Amino acid sequence: GAGVSQSPSNKVTEKGKDVELRCDPISGHTALYWYRQSLGQGLEFLIYFQGNSAPDKSGLPSDRFSAERTGGSVSTLTIQRTQQEDSAVYLCASSLVGPNNSPLHFGNGTRLTVT
Amino acid sequence: AQTVTQSQPEMSVQEAETVTLSCTYDTSESNYYLFWYKQPPSRQMILVIRQEAYKQQNATENRFSVNFQKAAKSFSLKISDSQLGDTAMYFCAFPLSGGYNKLIFGAGTRLAVHP
Repeated sequence: GAGVSQSPSNKVTEKGKDVELRCDPISGHTALYWYRQSLGQGLEFLIYFQGNSAPDKSGLPSDRFSAERTGGSVSTLTIQRTQQEDSAVYLCASSLVGPNNSPLHFGNGTRLTVT
Repeated sequence: AQTVTQSQPEMSVQEAETVTLSCTYDTSESNYYLFWYKQPPSRQMILVIRQEAYKQQNATENRFSVNFQKAAKSFSLKISDSQLGDTAMYFCAFPLSGGYNKLIFGAGTRLAVHP
């Protein structure tokens, strides 16, 4: 596709339920990132996938958060047993990696509201 | 620890005038990139400008330019001839160790351009 696509754009869930957020990166981009943006805050790094390497999970806030990237393309961020503090906008981005590192191309994000 | 500080939560400017957004950071890295991203109400983060720390010349992209003071760890963004479409949140960012696009962001500055 022309850009990074995220779905759903908005998600409302009850506390304790699991949610899955999807990201479809730009074709050919080997690097994929998930960031979280809480209300009125900057972005917080969550996880980074690069090719077939093991993902950098150093930003995941708890073991309720996990992500996978299938076939080097689409990624899913899963939040189990959601809590109210998980309410935020979850942004996905992709980029090329190499001698000419490209900047991040972001999707429009998924706004998650936990009630 | 790596940190990014944007000390101006909100700024406003009249159309066609110039505004400067400030950013300071702290890192022990010697070679790195610095970025300014823009986030309009659509939520999509858009790269405005980037600066390579080893380059002394300040980066310029059309109406956007930076004042990079490496010794002072300061990286301000100047917007000349402000336009209504510049109204957005602006975030300063630079890479955490371990990845070009694994970024740490400031809390942002909300810029309003008035007619």
